[in-house]
Amino acid sequence: QSALTQPATVSGSPGQSITISCTGTSSNVGGFNYVSWYQEHPGKAPKLIIYDVINRPSGVSSRFSASKSGNTASLTISGLQAEDEADYYCSSYTSINTLVFGTGTKVTVL
Amino acid sequence: EVQLVQSGGGLVQPGGSLRLSCAASGFTFDNYAMHWVRQAPGKGLEWVSGMSWDSGDIGYVVSVKGRFTISRDNAKNSLYLQMNSLRDEDTALYYCVRDEGASYYNPYFKYWGLGTLVTVSS
Repeated sequence: QSALTQPATVSGSPGQSITISCTGTSSNVGGFNYVSWYQEHPGKAPKLIIYDVINRPSGVSSRFSASKSGNTASLTISGLQAEDEADYYCSSYTSINTLVFGTGTKVTVL
Repeated sequence: EVQLVQSGGGLVQPGGSLRLSCAASGFTFDNYAMHWVRQAPGKGLEWVSGMSWDSGDIGYVVSVKGRFTISRDNAKNSLYLQMNSLRDEDTALYYCVRDEGASYYNPYFKYWGLGTLVTVSS
């Protein structure tokens, strides 16, 4: 399956809110409530920030929220902070029993 | 504390083979599905393969099917990835990751190894 489509870059000023989209098909994002989001800082392993479309693991800031509509999932970061500057990836379970990641989005804090 | 300690990476010529290992500790290994995820230099994440707790369900990304084999030894708390017929495009940092469930019908990963680098080059 092809990678899920994310914008290459999203930027915002401190305190602002930004939203990252993740577009797939009915065979992945649209077909299951099994979308996750990961934050990756340079040189570090990815960190799970959202699972099952909307759920935050314990310890993840409430400034991260997510949703899904049809074949597109979205991650919103509210009250943008310098530490949020990182790469973000969505992922989805697929109809052929595999997992597919998004193309990745670089978030820049201006 | 959950730990995933990886080994087995390195430099290999195209067409060669490598076996990656992942030693797990800090949790009941045979309660969880396990996966391999890779990241080519400067590129995004790519799921490579996954296996349910009992090895009953196995999946691969299309690009490695027939060349890579995932396996696990629950008695040794270990996960493996046998990689044959390696290609330049397999060059990547390979992560061992733990699923949050026993099957992998809803894979998401809270715990990641540090990664092991595989370089395929002549």
